[in-house]
Amino acid sequence: GAVVSQHPSRVICKSGTSVKIECRSLDFQATTMFWYRQFPKKSLMLMATSNEGSKATYEQGVEKDKFLINHASLTLSTLTVTSAHPEDSSFYICSAWRDTSYEQYFGPGTRLTVT
Amino acid sequence: KQEVTQIPAALSVPEGENLVLNCSFTDSAIYNLQWFRQDPGKGLTSLLLIQSSQREQTSGRLNASLDKSSGRSTLYIAASQPGDSATYLCAVRGSGGSYIPTFGRGTSLIVHP
Repeated sequence: GAVVSQHPSRVICKSGTSVKIECRSLDFQATTMFWYRQFPKKSLMLMATSNEGSKATYEQGVEKDKFLINHASLTLSTLTVTSAHPEDSSFYICSAWRDTSYEQYFGPGTRLTVT
Repeated sequence: KQEVTQIPAALSVPEGENLVLNCSFTDSAIYNLQWFRQDPGKGLTSLLLIQSSQREQTSGRLNASLDKSSGRSTLYIAASQPGDSATYLCAVRGSGGSYIPTFGRGTSLIVHP
């Protein structure tokens, strides 16, 4: 099956710093990728849809200046959490949309802890 | 707006039991429905994908059914094993042109030896 990777898998940062998370589709091209956030024992909350070569589409309530998304190539999307605060601590999961099969393939997730 | 509900929220069973996990959705105009497995602290692994025209899909000990008219899907796990312990998520994709799925909150399954 299709493979999506995320890097890093875990990151601990200090309050006020910025953190970048990478999402890569390893064996297919993805014009569209998605970024989700998951709180403990909760379902996935869609944050934004990332489109290659254009601006991301953010869901209501998600601050675009806080969560910067760049989809510079057909295999890479990045999420940057700017000026991170403890409340940003969460599990962030990306997924890539495969046009040929109409399926989403999920990355393994990134655990962000802001101290 | 599509709403997806999964029942039960949590389930603990002894090894060997056959299980049924339920997923219901409010808008029957769907494109497909997908069942995922999520292990603690990990991403999602796709288990089964059912297109709207299909009634069921099978993979090994897993069988997923879809009744679009009643807005329901079930995931049947035969002869459960401790390795099946995980959270199972149901995701529904609408037929209105958006391919963004709506997720349920999941069923947390524990299979004890």
